[in-house]
Amino acid sequence: QKEVEQDPGPLSVPEGAIVSLNCTYSNSAFQYFMWYRQYSRKGPELLMYTYSSGNKEDGRFTAQVDKSSKYISLFIRDSQPSDSATYLCAMSGGSAGNNRKLIWGLGTSLAVNP
Amino acid sequence: ETGVTQTPRHLVMGMTNKKSLKCEQHLGHNAMYWYKQSAKKPLELMFVYSLEERVENNSVPSRFSPECPNSSHLFLHLHTLQPEDSALYLCASSHYVAGGHYGLGTDTQYFGPGTRLTVL
Repeated sequence: QKEVEQDPGPLSVPEGAIVSLNCTYSNSAFQYFMWYRQYSRKGPELLMYTYSSGNKEDGRFTAQVDKSSKYISLFIRDSQPSDSATYLCAMSGGSAGNNRKLIWGLGTSLAVNP
Repeated sequence: ETGVTQTPRHLVMGMTNKKSLKCEQHLGHNAMYWYKQSAKKPLELMFVYSLEERVENNSVPSRFSPECPNSSHLFLHLHTLQPEDSALYLCASSHYVAGGHYGLGTDTQYFGPGTRLTVL
């Protein structure tokens, strides 16, 4: 079983839709959770960062962590064509040794159609 | 130049060639990273340099040889590569604080655009 599972898509939605992107994980030591966005021909850029459980909101983006289910989500409200990109989740245990490494999902390709 | 730059952006090489990838960061960071991004695989961390010392080497084959001459520059020297080494090679940098964790919190990694490598 992979440590982090993420459906690669592609996901295609109309402009204005609410988008839900998800990752599941198996390592209960993970406590730092990140979402990165990667546009075509660019490197990933950090979008959202969450520690432990709960929600975090930034504009149209909401990151949600459910540690009991080992499940994280990224919601995009009022999606725009400029949100078309690949979204990667990444997580870490944050302590010394192997747990401090970032473990990445495969990324989900999102297309928002005008 | 701003952020993290990488050259060349595209590289095609034969299995017997020797080439080098270059990364430069203009952010005043003290840690730099090489990642490999292949289709249908998650990002793979290859090397980490902190204050110009290699602190991570994740079982990368010796045909990949990193070099970090100073905190702003990072190279990846390539020789006798295999076709399966074809991928996007990403460089990143961050501001590492002693006792912190690479890539987390204030140690956010900033990525360059990558070098698309094709090995024939």
